[in-house]
Amino acid sequence: DAGVIQSPRHEVTEMGQEVTLRCKPISGHNSLFWYRQTMMRGLELLIYFNNNVPIDDSGMPEDRFSAKMPNASFSTLKIQPSEPRDSAVYFCASSRESGTLGSPLHFGNGTRLTVT
Amino acid sequence: RKEVEQDPGPFNVPEGATVAFNCTYSNSASQSFFWYRQDCRKEPKLLMSVYSSGNEDGRFTAQLNRASQYISLLIRDSKLSDSATYLCVVNRDDKIIFGKGTRLHILP
Repeated sequence: DAGVIQSPRHEVTEMGQEVTLRCKPISGHNSLFWYRQTMMRGLELLIYFNNNVPIDDSGMPEDRFSAKMPNASFSTLKIQPSEPRDSAVYFCASSRESGTLGSPLHFGNGTRLTVT
Repeated sequence: RKEVEQDPGPFNVPEGATVAFNCTYSNSASQSFFWYRQDCRKEPKLLMSVYSSGNEDGRFTAQLNRASQYISLLIRDSKLSDSATYLCVVNRDDKIIFGKGTRLHILP
């Protein structure tokens, strides 16, 4: 059973460049989440989708961040332009049920982003 | 006050000992609770759900105290492989909120 698949595993880019992170959720899961993790702030929810529709994007830091889910098997998180403070590990997670209650999250391996 | 708070640790515990840590939550409307485990440079993974009546999975016991608004995780007969960060997760309405985690080091 394939888990959540994220790419790339590592990304190093220069300030000002566009960064695109990709995620393939577990087949049959209805909800998809993007998280960012840093030592200082821990795991922060950026945005989540139910049935491909964005439900809560209040965690998206600013207009430089955008996320899409064009179909049930693919999502992207884009940062344009990137800044050094965006350096973090970005996790994608999916869960079986629509909505968030009671259904555990399955995380991908994460993308470690470094912006210089 | 943060909505979910955990002692960051680290807890340094000799192998074979019992260790317990708590997680407090501030919103009484919180509805479901989980413990996740995260190894260094890895993704978080579900350890166990926390049920109102308390639940056990092998050496791990989770409990919920709604009156005092905390959940706990107890690990018996700790193993070296238990060394990790343990994240408390609280669900409320449409929010999933992670604590910042408690680091546990099991010492040989």
